[in-house]
Amino acid sequence: QKEVEQDPGPLSVPEGAIVSLNCTYSNSAFQYFMWYRQYSRKGPELLMYTYSSGNKEDGRFTAQVDKSSKYISLFIRDSQPSDSATYLCAMSLDRGSTLGRLYFGRGTQLTVWP
Amino acid sequence: SAVISQKPSRDICQRGTSLTIQCQVDSQVTMMFWYRQQPGQSLTLIATANQGSEATYESGFVIDKFPISRPNLTFSTLTVSNMSPEDSSIYLCSVEDWRHGNTEAFFGQGTRLTVV
Repeated sequence: QKEVEQDPGPLSVPEGAIVSLNCTYSNSAFQYFMWYRQYSRKGPELLMYTYSSGNKEDGRFTAQVDKSSKYISLFIRDSQPSDSATYLCAMSLDRGSTLGRLYFGRGTQLTVWP
Repeated sequence: SAVISQKPSRDICQRGTSLTIQCQVDSQVTMMFWYRQQPGQSLTLIATANQGSEATYESGFVIDKFPISRPNLTFSTLTVSNMSPEDSSIYLCSVEDWRHGNTEAFFGQGTRLTVV
């Protein structure tokens, strides 16, 4: 069993739709949860960062962490064609001041069509 | 946030040869990381490189295959040695930096390697 599972999609939605992206994980020791966006032929770019359980909102993006279910989500409201990218979830253990090794999902490829 | 430059951005190499990938950061960082992103697979950590010490390799990766240098706090190299087609992948450099009260991980744009 992989430590982090993520449906690779692809996911295709019309502009303006609400997008829900999800990951599950097996290691209950994960404490930091991140979502990265990766455009084609670019490196991953950090979108959202959450420590432990709860919700975090940043503009059109909302990240949710449910540690009891070992489940994290990223919601994108009013999706735009510029949101078309691969979205990667990532997690790390609590190592104090450093994140150390990140454990990634395979990424979900999202296309938002006009 | 840290700005990371990787060279080369892409290369096509013959099997049996070696390629050295460079990672330059615009600020001093303690920890640098090298990841591999194989087609359809998740990013996987190869090793952690701290300045002044030997790199620490993850299970399944060995120094003879992926030697790493970390001569100072802004630079690191990863060499992919004796390449085979199975080494075709994207290799990414990552650093940790302090931003908005948190330690965050930043990535370079990656090196797309094709071995023929």
